[in-house]
Amino acid sequence: AQSVTQLGSHVSVSEGALVLLRCNYSSSVPPYLFWYVQYPNQGLQLLLKYTSAATLVKGINGFEAEFKKSETSFHLTKPSAHMRDAAEYFCAVSDGGGSNYKLTFGKGTLLTVNP
Amino acid sequence: GAGVSQSPSNKVTEKGKDVELRCDPISGHTALYWYRQSLGQGLEFLIYFQGNSAPDKSGLPSDRFSAERTGGSVSTLTIQRTQQEDSAVYLCASEDRGVVTEAFFGQGTRLTVV
Repeated sequence: AQSVTQLGSHVSVSEGALVLLRCNYSSSVPPYLFWYVQYPNQGLQLLLKYTSAATLVKGINGFEAEFKKSETSFHLTKPSAHMRDAAEYFCAVSDGGGSNYKLTFGKGTLLTVNP
Repeated sequence: GAGVSQSPSNKVTEKGKDVELRCDPISGHTALYWYRQSLGQGLEFLIYFQGNSAPDKSGLPSDRFSAERTGGSVSTLTIQRTQQEDSAVYLCASEDRGVVTEAFFGQGTRLTVV
């Protein structure tokens, strides 16, 4: 079984500052890892994913994440926050093997960007 | 279609009534998923369809919940005898399992049971 822990339910940064959203996972098999973003009253949009290729993954909107097996982490970063980045972010894991259809989500991190 | 479409976008129902939530996946996507998003539980997997079959319905919370998919396309999630704890946003996602893993989500149906 997989699980995901997102440290910090709410992160606040200033516009132009570094964004760091933390995600740690637990999986008994090599995982697939995902970051999704949810804007108010909208569905989930995939930011980026790790599926056992390069450990540094670049996504949309300037976000990237690094898979660190030794730390069981997949933290999301962006060098410079923009007001439009304000949203809720979800880290998710799936079984990289036969059951890789089912996503297990973290509780989410609400990102606030201050002018 | 261009994306996953869900209807209605909002539904208010009285406790004890039945409700049906509809999902139109992206054309050609063979896999379809239902998830539930609630304040207390976060995002939870409900059921997975591959074509018209549901090989995994382990996330359905009770026998009041059922889902079907017809023609390898549209899916309906039915909740019978709704309870207040069923209030949540129900999200549908579809995926082309023949390509790299990526599930596309709809905007969800916000269900409020009063």
